[in-house]
Amino acid sequence: KAGVTQTPRYLIKTRGQQVTLSCSPISGHRSVSWYQQTPGQGLQFLFEYFSETQRNKGNFPGRFSGRQFSNSRSEMNVSTLELGDSALYLCASSPGTARQETQYFGPGTRLLVL
Amino acid sequence: GENVEQHPSTLSVQEGDSAVIKCTYSDSASNYFPWYKQELGKGPQLIIDIRSNVGEKKDQRIAVTLNKTAKHFSLHITETQPEDSAVYFCAASRMDSSYKLIFGSGTRLLVRP
Repeated sequence: KAGVTQTPRYLIKTRGQQVTLSCSPISGHRSVSWYQQTPGQGLQFLFEYFSETQRNKGNFPGRFSGRQFSNSRSEMNVSTLELGDSALYLCASSPGTARQETQYFGPGTRLLVL
Repeated sequence: GENVEQHPSTLSVQEGDSAVIKCTYSDSASNYFPWYKQELGKGPQLIIDIRSNVGEKKDQRIAVTLNKTAKHFSLHITETQPEDSAVYFCAASRMDSSYKLIFGSGTRLLVRP
């Protein structure tokens, strides 16, 4: 099975712009979670989607949003970018039908905000 | 609130020695504790996990122990090899939000040949 794929892998934006990141889960997986990884704050949970519905949400401002499509692919959007949004954005997928399943991570999208 | 503390932040061991990484969690409702290994340029990869109804779990050279009373869990790697060098993260989640992992700050493990 192909693993979790994320596009693009690298992205450079300037302050005030918005960005959309994409995640394709492992075939058959219906849950997609997003995490932000920075040297200062570590790995932080953003949100989780299952069957096109947001099921869990972390403590991030409303500038961070996401959605999931009927094929389970997910996108996250960050509007009005700030310098502090520079990070590695990771998505993880799991079947989504049982509790505490293994989450499989993609390689991440590295976002640099100038 | 939810918090996971992880120690040490860096660990250097000689090849063949053992390595131990410790984590403490604050949320008493946490009941799932995975460990991830992250290599440079890659996403985290699950290496072992443990649930709160189990005190210890082993998988070849890797073992995890859980002390629910003290709210801490540990990763033990025996007979370390240079390819074990990576950043290791512990995490915790609750049954009612099981897809929300709270991660520790990471341990950079260096195995010297």
